[in-house]
Amino acid sequence: SQTIHQWPATLVQPVGSPLSLECTVEGTSNPNLYWYRQAAGRGLQLLFYSVGIGQISSEVPQNLSASRPQDRQFILSSKKLLLSDSGFYLCAWSVLGTGAREQYFGPGTRLTVT
Amino acid sequence: AQTVTQSQPEMSVQEAETVTLSCTYDTSESDYYLFWYKQPPSRQMILVIRQEAYKQQNATENRFSVNFQKAAKSFSLKISDSQLGDAAMYFCAYRSTTSGTYKYIFGTGTRLKVLA
Repeated sequence: SQTIHQWPATLVQPVGSPLSLECTVEGTSNPNLYWYRQAAGRGLQLLFYSVGIGQISSEVPQNLSASRPQDRQFILSSKKLLLSDSGFYLCAWSVLGTGAREQYFGPGTRLTVT
Repeated sequence: AQTVTQSQPEMSVQEAETVTLSCTYDTSESDYYLFWYKQPPSRQMILVIRQEAYKQQNATENRFSVNFQKAAKSFSLKISDSQLGDAAMYFCAYRSTTSGTYKYIFGTGTRLKVLA
């Protein structure tokens, strides 16, 4: 069965520090991968999605970037964090093909920028 | 562009009662997918139910069912025999079937409280 991992689960970082959040998927090949951010009590904001290695689409201009160095690995990065980067970050995957193509989500990373 | 609207920011239901969460969407497409996701306090997003637009029959998963009204572009979620564990944020989501489309459109969510 498929599994999605995210780490770390919780992170507290000072303003101006770098960021690296990692997401890996097991049990499937060539998934579509997504990064979302969720502010407290709010909906999901799509940040990036990827349909293949090295292919990244950005949805929101900001100081965050994403990379996909391997088929089932998706990394969210920042060179210098802002206070506004605080939030709950969710990684998700889906696959092409027949069926309803729902998304499956990881457990999330809670980021606090101080 | 497609949009998804959840007009109820918060709902309450008595344990063992039935509650319906509303979702409307806007699209010019004829074929698409619709989903309901649950986000409990742990914040893990869990798929509750899915509906393919080409199917006229409403999807059902145990105590969860949908009322899919394609012409009205409405996709409500009914929870029967509500349990304390149903307390969560519920998100409605839309996905196009158009080739090359990969994004999911989410509503802003409805917070469901279950009263003992």
